[in-house]
Amino acid sequence: EVQLVESGGGLVQPGGSLRLSCAASGFTFTTYWMHWVRQVPGKGLVWVSRMNVDGSTITYADSVKGRYTISRDNAKNMLYLQMDSLRVDDTAVYYCARSPAWGGMDVWGQGTTVTVSS
Amino acid sequence: EIVLTQSPGTLSLSPGERATLSCRASQSINSRYFAWYQQKPGQAPRLLIDAASRRATGIPDRFSGSGSGTDFTLTISRLEPEDFAVYYCQQYDRSIFTFGPGTKVEIK
Repeated sequence: EVQLVESGGGLVQPGGSLRLSCAASGFTFTTYWMHWVRQVPGKGLVWVSRMNVDGSTITYADSVKGRYTISRDNAKNMLYLQMDSLRVDDTAVYYCARSPAWGGMDVWGQGTTVTVSS
Repeated sequence: EIVLTQSPGTLSLSPGERATLSCRASQSINSRYFAWYQQKPGQAPRLLIDAASRRATGIPDRFSGSGSGTDFTLTISRLEPEDFAVYYCQQYDRSIFTFGPGTKVEIK
């Protein structure tokens, strides 16, 4: 079964850090771009970051640039998101998703919740 | 950054009716890099259409996408009870991906 499973969410204080993980299974991880997308409950989807198959091309939304770092370990079929200098408005459900190169995001995880609050 | 605007914000229809959802981009987009997603409460989004008109695997043929340049449309030919949800458009024509704000299709 093709699956993405996120973990690592939780409660963190403003200015703190958190590392999200996404475990991929059931498909050839090394042939897909990987993305992080977030959503404040009751609000819309916001793309956060993407990485191509070998990590040579990475892009970020302006809102997280310089604070978040996406990475992948193709040997372990894992995607990561290191989130530093967290702000209250980073509070959201974070999804990982895959896409063929320049294709739509055809598989999504169930999401992990990040809450930034004092 | 390309901004996507969706209309209407909410569409109130009855099962069996036709739904027409619009997405307008602030700049012209290569239609190869345009997608539609469906999201139900408590669930992750699901890819419906990519390349503006190509149905994703397992998507019923009552869903169709069209458009080019700055104007794109998602049509649901006959609404089924399970189609009432929020629909998002997305572009990935530039290195920065963006989603539209969503259209909620609700039961009238």
